[in-house]
Amino acid sequence: DAKTTQPTSMDCAEGRAANLPCNHSTISGNEYVYWYRQIHSQGPQYIIHGLKNNETNEMASLIITEDRKSSTLILPHATLRDTAVYYCIARGGSNYKLTFGKGTLLTVNP
Amino acid sequence: DADVTQTPRNRITKTGKRIMLECSQTKGHDRMYWYRQDPGLGLRLIYYSFDVKDINKGEISDGYSVSRQAQAKFSLSLESAIPNQTALYFCATSGGQGGMNTEAFFGQGTRLTVV
Repeated sequence: DAKTTQPTSMDCAEGRAANLPCNHSTISGNEYVYWYRQIHSQGPQYIIHGLKNNETNEMASLIITEDRKSSTLILPHATLRDTAVYYCIARGGSNYKLTFGKGTLLTVNP
Repeated sequence: DADVTQTPRNRITKTGKRIMLECSQTKGHDRMYWYRQDPGLGLRLIYYSFDVKDINKGEISDGYSVSRQAQAKFSLSLESAIPNQTALYFCATSGGQGGMNTEAFFGQGTRLTVV
């Protein structure tokens, strides 16, 4: 799996959009970008994933650059319950393993 | 009921004791995983299983063993627990079709302390 780089921490005001960046400059053509989050020692929770196109679901949006070297996870209206560590993972389609880095600690402030 | 259930949720054991952590899932997935998390670190893969007959070592398998008793059950054993195995342990499952993967589902974790 390609290496991903994320900021160690970020802050966001409640009600505002949270934009979490991820760099994956060595990503290969068959690797998807996955996002998970972990709320205070709970089990990680799947958020969204994509290959080339931007994706949106009920939790978030994923914007992938045209060259696929970076992506941004967008939480459109952050709440206090979105405070968590967010993990960006580049994973080959047929690779069964998830390799976690240290992620970004997002703190949503009142 | 949770899709992925881990038991026990918390356990304190003594150095040298054998301990088993259990995981069961109702997702019907073939693939199951055991991860370990230490404070301030990401999750590290201990073992993973593609199906009942397929077990693979992850990046930190030394000191651990696993058993895939059924599609829905994957247990992790510490044959002789040592203090540096004190950590938060997570079980996960994932499915997929045609070799492609879907998202993974994680249990709520087992907090293990070895004294």
